[in-house]
Amino acid sequence: DAMVIQNPRYQVTQFGKPVTLSCSQTLNHNVMYWYQQKSSQAPKLLFHYYDKDFNNEADTPDNFQSRRPNTSFCFLDIRSPGLGDAAMYLCATRLRGGGDTQYFGPGTRLTVL
Amino acid sequence: AQSVTQLGSHVSVSEGALVLLRCNYSSSVPPYLFWYVQYPNQGLQLLLKYTSAATLVKGINGFEAEFKKSETSFHLTKPSAHMSDAAEYFCAVSEGSSGSARQLTFGSGTQLTVLP
Repeated sequence: DAMVIQNPRYQVTQFGKPVTLSCSQTLNHNVMYWYQQKSSQAPKLLFHYYDKDFNNEADTPDNFQSRRPNTSFCFLDIRSPGLGDAAMYLCATRLRGGGDTQYFGPGTRLTVL
Repeated sequence: AQSVTQLGSHVSVSEGALVLLRCNYSSSVPPYLFWYVQYPNQGLQLLLKYTSAATLVKGINGFEAEFKKSETSFHLTKPSAHMSDAAEYFCAVSEGSSGSARQLTFGSGTQLTVLP
């Protein structure tokens, strides 16, 4: 089945130690999103790629970076995680002209010690 | 600008009872509207969406929602709750076919508890 895959599902890192989260998709969608979701809150958009064009939300901290080497893969890099960065990170995809529906992966739960 | 308000951060119903989760939106252009469900430690799963066709939208798991333009509402209902419906539900809006941003704006979510 076509889907959005996130690895790992659970990631533990230490304060200040860089971490990379991965997202891949078999849907061949041209738009990919990264969201941060803290407990009992709605997802918060960090950035998105429209094909190779990167779009950063104005309030996304510089500590968060992203790479999209090809259509299928997208990475979220947290350069120096702080305790406040502990959250669920969600990847989503959308097909241009597909009615704005976003398809979400299962998420990566990040713990910062 | 667009926004979504979900009334009631927590809703409890008995198994077999009607489920009603409320969502009101604001949008400067005709909107697309979505309901997503999130189970613990999972991503968001699309329940249903409204994209300017029929105002009564049927989704998965027996859920449906009705778009009411005059009330700017898109409430989610299910006639008979099941224990497996316990989850967090998010309403979301996008600018639809006449908008350029194409981003989803989410409500703050409603946690549904189903009592035995």
